[in-house]
Amino acid sequence: GENVEQHPSTLSVQEGDSAVIKCTYSDSASNYFPWYKQELGKGPQLIIDIRSNVGEKKDQRIAVTLNKTAKHFSLHITETQPEDSAVYFCAASMGFQKLVFGTGTRLLVSP
Amino acid sequence: NAGVTQTPKFQVLKTGQSMTLQCAQDMNHEYMSWYRQDPGMGLRLIHYSVGAGITDQGEVPNGYNVSRSTTEDFPLRLLSAAPSQTSVYFCASSYVARGETQYFGPGTRLLVL
Repeated sequence: GENVEQHPSTLSVQEGDSAVIKCTYSDSASNYFPWYKQELGKGPQLIIDIRSNVGEKKDQRIAVTLNKTAKHFSLHITETQPEDSAVYFCAASMGFQKLVFGTGTRLLVSP
Repeated sequence: NAGVTQTPKFQVLKTGQSMTLQCAQDMNHEYMSWYRQDPGMGLRLIHYSVGAGITDQGEVPNGYNVSRSTTEDFPLRLLSAAPSQTSVYFCASSYVARGETQYFGPGTRLLVL
């Protein structure tokens, strides 16, 4: 089955710096790659997603890139702010119904 | 819209007790699912449903039962709770039944002693 690896597990940056979180997946059939943000005590919230027919997608300070050949996808956050501090999860869709999640990255943005 | 709601928010059980975690959504989503979240392991799929009367197993289904009698509700049952089921449980739903853009509930924190 699908396996998603996510790195790093923790990431500390200064406010205004950029943050990059990387994920790899194993199943070449996966074609949907969402990113979720989870704040303390809350459920995950979708922040951006990308499909396999697209190489890059941007939404203001957030961007996601996908390299299908290498089975890599990454989340890029520019001009980080303290409110970006949270746990971020990548995921891959391994078929019709299922999402397989990475193990999460705790991002801490220091003022 | 209330979105995805879950009850209770927190529950303590003794080993061997049974309980039902409730999940409801008011977005007319066909697809609903249950995940558990454990430290260092991300979210793992327990069961899912693509519509009323249709359910299937996910990655970690053992010890859990589900049913889907209506579009809105998707309860998760623990028949005989075990300490290994201590976790945070999330329900999610989506309109397009490809696992895309899943909306998550606030979670239920379960402690089994």
